[in-house]
Amino acid sequence: TQLLEQSPQFLSIQEGENLTVYCNSSSVFSSLQWYRQEPGEGPVLLVTVVTGGEVKKLKRLTFQFGDARKDSSLHITAAQPGDTGLYLCAGFAGKSTFGDGTTLTVKP
Amino acid sequence: DAGVTQSPTHLIKTRGQQVTLRCSPKSGHDTVSWYQQALGQGPQFIFQYYEEEERQRGNFPDRFSGHQFPNYSSELNVNALLLGDSALYLCASSWDVTYEQYFGPGTRLTVT
Repeated sequence: TQLLEQSPQFLSIQEGENLTVYCNSSSVFSSLQWYRQEPGEGPVLLVTVVTGGEVKKLKRLTFQFGDARKDSSLHITAAQPGDTGLYLCAGFAGKSTFGDGTTLTVKP
Repeated sequence: DAGVTQSPTHLIKTRGQQVTLRCSPKSGHDTVSWYQQALGQGPQFIFQYYEEEERQRGNFPDRFSGHQFPNYSSELNVNALLLGDSALYLCASSWDVTYEQYFGPGTRLTVT
């Protein structure tokens, strides 16, 4: 069974701070996706990383895929209240396996 | 370009009843996957449909069944509902079995 562990489970920070959330597994994935989900809505795809060691930037968000394609991180610079939400990672190996997410709250 | 749509938005059922949820994929997508998301957890994979056949299945009992139609839309059926089936049911579509899935807004099912 493939498992994805996300940490921390909850994160509450002040506007302007930086943060990193992690997604770890003992399994190798052919790709990994990060999603952001608002309460009562479906997840929205942020990025897909495919190559080990790959780094992708999306404005203030930086995503990294581990060299062994087993883990990933999401770094947010100068967080804003609009970044508040549930951040989910999903590893793909024939089918998608999701972690339980990191709930981020950014206080103004 | 319409994204993934799901109906109904909310549903309340009684234990033991049966329910059908519907999903229309994003234009150009031919693969539909269904997920169950309990409160405070990540989505759990139920099954995936491609070319009107169940292609893969997660660890869900046979009470959960589905169907895909020639226009690629899909239904999720749950029989003999249990209280534990209360969750947000998400549909995601993709082109073939590529990993880039796009999710619908979900159907909130409450079983009383």
